Amino acid sequence: EAQVTQNPRYLITVTGKKLTVTCSQNMNHEYMSWYRQDPGLGLRQIYYSMNVEVTDKGDVPEGYKVSRKEKRNFPLILESPSPNQTSLYFCASSLWGGRGGYTFGSGTRLTVV
Amino acid sequence: DQQVKQNSPSLSVQEGRISILNCDYTNSMFDYFLWYKKYPAEGPTFLISISSIKDKNEDGRFTVFLNKSAKHLSLHIVPSQPGDSAVYFCAASDDNDMRFGAGTRLTVKP
Repeated sequence: EAQVTQNPRYLITVTGKKLTVTCSQNMNHEYMSWYRQDPGLGLRQIYYSMNVEVTDKGDVPEGYKVSRKEKRNFPLILESPSPNQTSLYFCASSLWGGRGGYTFGSGTRLTVV
Repeated sequence: DQQVKQNSPSLSVQEGRISILNCDYTNSMFDYFLWYKKYPAEGPTFLISISSIKDKNEDGRFTVFLNKSAKHLSLHIVPSQPGDSAVYFCAASDDNDMRFGAGTRLTVKP
C-alpha cells in the first residue's frame, strides 16, 4: 500500500530535550515536505526537499532541522524544543512537487512542556 | 502573510443540499489549485485539483471553480452527505511550493 509513515503518533517531551520525528514514504517520490497545523493558521510549511541532499526552508523553519540522505526518508529534528513548537505535524510526499497531489502521513501530535 | 485564505472557519448544511466552500489567494504566480479533506486523527487526503488554464473541474459530486481574475476558487459538493463532514483545506501551488488555507469545517446534518 502506497503510504507516508510518521512516527511517533503522539509525543510529550520537555523543553530542550532533542527529538526526531521520522517520516518514510514507499512511493519513490522525489519531493517531501513537513508541515505544522495550528488552529486558525492551517498548514504551514516548515521545510521541503526536492530530492536527496536538496532541502530548503519553508515558511516557519526556525527551531527545526531536516535531512534527506536517502529518497524514502525525511526526518524532522528539533534540537531544543520549546513550548511554541507544540503542534500537530504532518509529513507529505509528492511525485511532482507543487504540481502533484500530496500524500500525507497520519500526523504527529507533539506537546512540549 | 497568508497567501491563501479561507475566510469561513465553519459551514453547516443539510444533507442533500449543496455545500460551497470558498478560497481566495493573493499570489498571481500560483497556477495549480487543490482541495484536501481531513478527518480527525488522519492526515489530509487529496480531493480534487484544477490547473490555471481551466475554470472548472468536476469529479462526481465535487466540482472546483476557478476565477483567476478575482483570485478566487470554490468547491461545490452536490448533494452533500453526512460522510462529507470534515475539514477542507484549499491549497495553491507553483513549481516548488504549496500553500494552504486555514481550513473550513463542514458539517452535513442528516
